[in-house]
Parts: sequence; structure tokens; C-alpha cells
Amino acid sequence: GAVVSQHPSRVICKSGTSVKIECRSLDFQATTMFWYRQFPKKSLMLMATSNEGSKATYEQGVEKDKFLINHASLTLSTLTVTSAHPEDSSFYICSAATSGRYEQYFGPGTRLTVT
Amino acid sequence: AQSVSQHNHHVILSEAASLELGCNYSYGGTVNLFWYVQYPGQHLQLLLKYFSGDPLVKGIKGFEAEFIKSKFSFNLRKPSVQWSDTAEYFCAVTDDKIIFGKGTRLHILP
Repeated sequence: GAVVSQHPSRVICKSGTSVKIECRSLDFQATTMFWYRQFPKKSLMLMATSNEGSKATYEQGVEKDKFLINHASLTLSTLTVTSAHPEDSSFYICSAATSGRYEQYFGPGTRLTVT
Repeated sequence: AQSVSQHNHHVILSEAASLELGCNYSYGGTVNLFWYVQYPGQHLQLLLKYFSGDPLVKGIKGFEAEFIKSKFSFNLRKPSVQWSDTAEYFCAVTDDKIIFGKGTRLHILP
């Protein structure tokens, strides 16, 4: 149980375009979903926390107008990278939690490459 | 602010060797502690967690970790590693939010 999926697993886009990444909890309802960015040889960086039906809470330094997060249902959250630039190229990982943030289930990640 | 430090970035061991990966955190209050593992090509999985109670926590695949409050440490151990333990290991701490260490890449030689 507790499976989280992400789609797409890999995406290449041109600079200036927008990309949407989906995160789904497949067999449970996630009250809270998290979006992380993983840099090469570095840890996961929490970007934002989203609760179903409310606005996401962004971490300091993360541009909320650039990284749009929507948590429309208890099983789906989306991250849209708007007007992507090459420096946005990264590995984006979502996770989902059933209660609080104490135990998170991670998705497989999405590799974004902006050319 | 909370921080998590993992002392070893890359560890290479032979099969059957004993393993200890260090993890220290900086926070004086009540914390919850985790170890996550990421096998090659796979997503992060929970290895074990500590919320309260017995400071020696047993996880999956023979791993264990000991919470030593006085040392702000939560080191991961396994008495005899296998080739299939090759992976990246992340220590994490939560209070209000989850903070990950930078990870330790473990490579087991067959």
C-alpha cells in the first residue's frame, strides 16, 4: 500500500514554455502533499507543502508564481513550472502524507530538462 | 533552524562488513527521526523511523538505528551488509517540516 505515482517521469521542454507534473496517491487519500527538488549530489529541498483545497505554503526562496501548485483533490497534486528556464532543470519529487507530515510516501520523481 | 548532517558522503564496503552511517541533527526540541533509502533507479522508501519509546529502532532488511538524545545522533547500522544494500541513504528530521541530510551513497562490493 501507500503508492505514489508521478507523471511524466521525464520531460524535455523548451525555454519559456510551461510544464505540468502530476502527483497521485494511488491507494490512499493524502491530506498533505509535498514537492521537493533534488539537486545533483545534494539533498532534497522542500519547495512547498500543499493541503487539499487550500493554497500551498512555499518555502523561503521558492517563487510561488513560477512554481504553481494545485492540490485539487485528496489524491492529486500538480506542480506547474511556468516559463521554464534551463536553471529549472532538475529532479522534482513529490510525497504524500495521510496525517500531518510525519510519514511521507514518495513518488518516483520527474526529471525535467529545459533546453 | 534545524539541520541534518550526514558525515559520510560515499562509503564503500565489502559484503558481510558491518555498516554504520552517521547522522546528527541540530534541534533542541522534540523531533521525529527517519532513515530513507533510494535504490538505484527507484524512489525513496522509508527504512525506519523513531517517534518515541525505545531509542533502538529496528527497520526493514536488517537495519537498525539508535537515537542518542545527548549526542543529537541517529546513526544507522547493519551488522552484515549485502550487495543489494547498494543505495543512497538519507537521514531526515521532522519537527514542523521535514529536513533531509545530503545523503550517503553506499556501494557494496560483491
